[in-house]
Amino acid sequence: EDKVVQSPLSLVVHEGDTVTLNCSYEVTNFRSLLWYKQEKKAPTFLFMLTSSGIEKKSGRLSSILDKKELFSILNITATQTGDSAVYLCAPNNNDMRFGAGTRLTVKP
Amino acid sequence: EAQVTQNPRYLITVTGKKLTVTCSQNMNHEYMSWYRQDPGLGLRQIYYSMNVEVTDKGDVPEGYKVSRKEKRNFPLILESPSPNQTSLYFCASSLFPTSGSTYNEQFFGPGTRLTVL
Repeated sequence: EDKVVQSPLSLVVHEGDTVTLNCSYEVTNFRSLLWYKQEKKAPTFLFMLTSSGIEKKSGRLSSILDKKELFSILNITATQTGDSAVYLCAPNNNDMRFGAGTRLTVKP
Repeated sequence: EAQVTQNPRYLITVTGKKLTVTCSQNMNHEYMSWYRQDPGLGLRQIYYSMNVEVTDKGDVPEGYKVSRKEKRNFPLILESPSPNQTSLYFCASSLFPTSGSTYNEQFFGPGTRLTVL
């Protein structure tokens, strides 16, 4: 059975800290893995990862995929209060399955 | 503007009263999907559709129906809602990959908050 596990489920840090969010997956017909950020509304797209070992970056956020070990990480450096959100990962196959998310709280 | 729209945004109803939540996208996407989101459980897929007249069950299809008669619309139907279907519902759409390529990002609608009393 396909599954997606994100850890930690919840994380509280202070501004300026660096965080690493984890996503491990077991899915059939894997094509890519997506990361989303969800604040109080619909999820917004962050990254799509298709190849192992190639880091994608957007400002203070970066992500990498390991297709051999079946996991991905999302790093956020120099966190800000605006980074507070739930971060969701979703491996892509026919039925896109999301992890339960990591709730990140960044305190001033 | 490219978008996914859902209606209604908020709905309070009573047990057993049939309801439909509409979803429409204007991006000519083949793939559409419905999710429900509950605290601590993340986004769980209810149904998805890879094209017109092609639908399939996701993780939690019980108590729901869908139809895909047109490419742009993917309504979610609750024939006899029950309180355990109280949730936040999201519709999403994306392009469907051709063989050998990969999915594009899913675009989400704004969500429908449903309360069943």
